[in-house]
Amino acid sequence: GNSVTQMEGPVTLSEEAFLTINCTYTATGYPSLFWYVQYPGEGLQLLLKATKADDKGSNKGFEATYRKETTSFHLEKGSVQVSDSAVYFCALTSGSASKIIFGSGTRLSIRP
Amino acid sequence: DTAVSQTPKYLVTQMGNDKSIKCEQNLGHDTMYWYKQDSKKFLKIMFSYNNKELIINETVPNRFSPKSPDKAHLNLHINSLELGDSAVYFCASSQLVSGNTDTQYFGPGTRLTVL
Repeated sequence: GNSVTQMEGPVTLSEEAFLTINCTYTATGYPSLFWYVQYPGEGLQLLLKATKADDKGSNKGFEATYRKETTSFHLEKGSVQVSDSAVYFCALTSGSASKIIFGSGTRLSIRP
Repeated sequence: DTAVSQTPKYLVTQMGNDKSIKCEQNLGHDTMYWYKQDSKKFLKIMFSYNNKELIINETVPNRFSPKSPDKAHLNLHINSLELGDSAVYFCASSQLVSGNTDTQYFGPGTRLTVL
């Protein structure tokens, strides 16, 4: 079945550091891939998405590239800020089930 | 003009009680969901409705009963609450596009604490 595996947290970085959060997936067909972010005390919100191979999603300085050959969708940001502290979820949808599969989430903490 | 709203935001109750959580979306979406998020932030889908019809029903105790009076509302009723039901419950909505779900929009969550 479909599944998403993302790196375990927590991840703690200093402000302005480079960020990578790994995400790999298993899916039949041609999934759409997403990164959602959950700030403290809030619901999830879409950060970026990519719907086909080699597409790059980007938003707020974050980016991720849909790599079909490695079944990956790693999240990167060149210079993180304290305000990026949150939990990040990788996710996919595939087929007609109307279901989105979430990874287990990675908690990111940025030190000033 | 909140897109997806839930009430109440906090719910504290005794074991054995029955409670309901309400959800409304004003995005015109045709699909709504209920998720449970545990203390480790793991997110588990519970139910999904498309145009008022149940389309996803994961392995959830039958004490949980969703009800969709119309496309814009999906309520969750929980009977005989147990300690293990304590969690944050999120409602979400999306629009099916060519049979696939597009971006999901989440409500702010309802933190349920069972004592």
